[in-house]
Amino acid sequence: KQEVTQIPAALSVPEGENLVLNCSFTDSAIYNLQWFRQDPGKGLTSLLLIQSSQREQTSGRLNASLDKSSGRSTLYIAASQPGDSATYLCAVRLQDSSYKLIFGSGTRLLVRP
Amino acid sequence: DTAVSQTPKYLVTQMGNDKSIKCEQNLGHDTMYWYKQDSKKFLKIMFSYNNKELIINETVPNRFSPKSPDKAHLNLHINSLELGDSAVYFCASSHSGGISYGYTFGSGTRLTVV
Repeated sequence: KQEVTQIPAALSVPEGENLVLNCSFTDSAIYNLQWFRQDPGKGLTSLLLIQSSQREQTSGRLNASLDKSSGRSTLYIAASQPGDSATYLCAVRLQDSSYKLIFGSGTRLLVRP
Repeated sequence: DTAVSQTPKYLVTQMGNDKSIKCEQNLGHDTMYWYKQDSKKFLKIMFSYNNKELIINETVPNRFSPKSPDKAHLNLHINSLELGDSAVYFCASSHSGGISYGYTFGSGTRLTVV
């Protein structure tokens, strides 16, 4: 059974710092991995999708990596800003006919001005 | 706008009532989902429909009944609402094709049962 874990559960950093959020999953049979952002009381915004055959994806100040064999992904945020404060969710899409997306419990990020 | 839209955004109702949440996507996706986010913010899949056919029914009470009239719509009907049903319900959609397709989520319906 696929399990997704995110560490740390919460993170508070001063503005301008570079930071790394971690995600691990137990079964490497995945189609892809997606990072989402959720602001309080809002829906999920997709940040990056990494296909199982890819090693990393970049969008602006965000860089996500994937090591499928070790069951790990990281989300790197460069030069953090207060507007980056949100919960970041990692999710893997199972490599079966269910098309399921299994989520981690998230990392709550606070960037202090 | 291309999106997944769900209504209503907020729903407050009494125990024992029956309510429905509607979802529509105009992204041309062939698969739609309902997810539940509990008070601890954990997201868990409830149902999935592919081309109007139910393919996932996680261990959800049978008071919850999804209906997909066509590929672009997936509604969720809940009978005899209980306090424990209070949560945020998210609709999502995707292509079933595989590695290059991600999910798109709606903005959620916050259900409060009093």
